[in-house]
Amino acid sequence: EAGVAQSPRYKIIEKRQSVAFWCNPISGHATLYWYQQILGQGPKLLIQFQNNGVVDDSQLPKDRFSAERLKGVDSTLKIQPAKLEDSAVYLCASRHAGGNEQYFGPGTRLTVT
Amino acid sequence: AQSVAQPEDQVNVAEGNPLTVKCTYSVSGNPYLFWYVQYPNRGLQFLLKYITGDNLVKGSYGFEAEFNKSQTSFHLKKPSALVSDSALYFCAVSPLSGGYNKLIFGAGTRLAVHP
Repeated sequence: EAGVAQSPRYKIIEKRQSVAFWCNPISGHATLYWYQQILGQGPKLLIQFQNNGVVDDSQLPKDRFSAERLKGVDSTLKIQPAKLEDSAVYLCASRHAGGNEQYFGPGTRLTVT
Repeated sequence: AQSVAQPEDQVNVAEGNPLTVKCTYSVSGNPYLFWYVQYPNRGLQFLLKYITGDNLVKGSYGFEAEFNKSQTSFHLKKPSALVSDSALYFCAVSPLSGGYNKLIFGAGTRLAVHP
C-alpha cells in the first residue's frame, strides 16, 4: 500500500510570495489533515477534510492560507502572501473511516526569507 | 484548554537499558492516546495507541505504553533500548468531542541512545 505523498519536499521563497503544497492521501482514506510543524514544536492542525468538505479549519489563518480538496482525493494548501513566521514543515495526513490512527506524509519544508 | 505535555526535551539512555518517555495530558472525557516517532527528514510514523481496555498497550518495534487515568499520563516504554531507537517522539491525544479525531501533539522528546 502506497503511503501519503507530498510535493515538493523543499521550498524556499521570499516573504510576500505565494506557494502551494500538494498532498495525495492513501487510497480510500476519506479524512485528510494538514498540519504545520514549526521547528522545536509538535505539529498543529491547520485544516481537516472529510471527503471534499471542511470539518475543522479553526486554526487556519484564513487571511493568507487556503486549502481545497475538490474531488475528495488530492488536496492543495496555499499560502499567499507568505510571512517569515510561516517557515515550517507542512505535514499532510490521512485516516481511514474505520480507523483511529493517522498516517503522515514526509512533509514539505518551507523556508521564507 | 486541551493540551499535551512532554516534560523532557531530551532523554539519554545507554543501549540495552530500559527507557521511558513521559507524557501527560489535559483533555476532558476519555480521549484516544497515541505515540508517533519522527526520524530526520521524514514524516511521523505511528507507534501505538490506547483506545480502551488494558492499560498497557504494545506497539511497533518493541515499544509499549502505560495508560494511567488518575494521573492522566501515557508514558512510552521499552525494556531494552537500541541505538536505532534514537529519534524524536511525539505524544498525541484525540479528544472525542466533535467526533473528527483531530490530534493535539506535545512538543516532542528527543531520545538519544548511546552505544
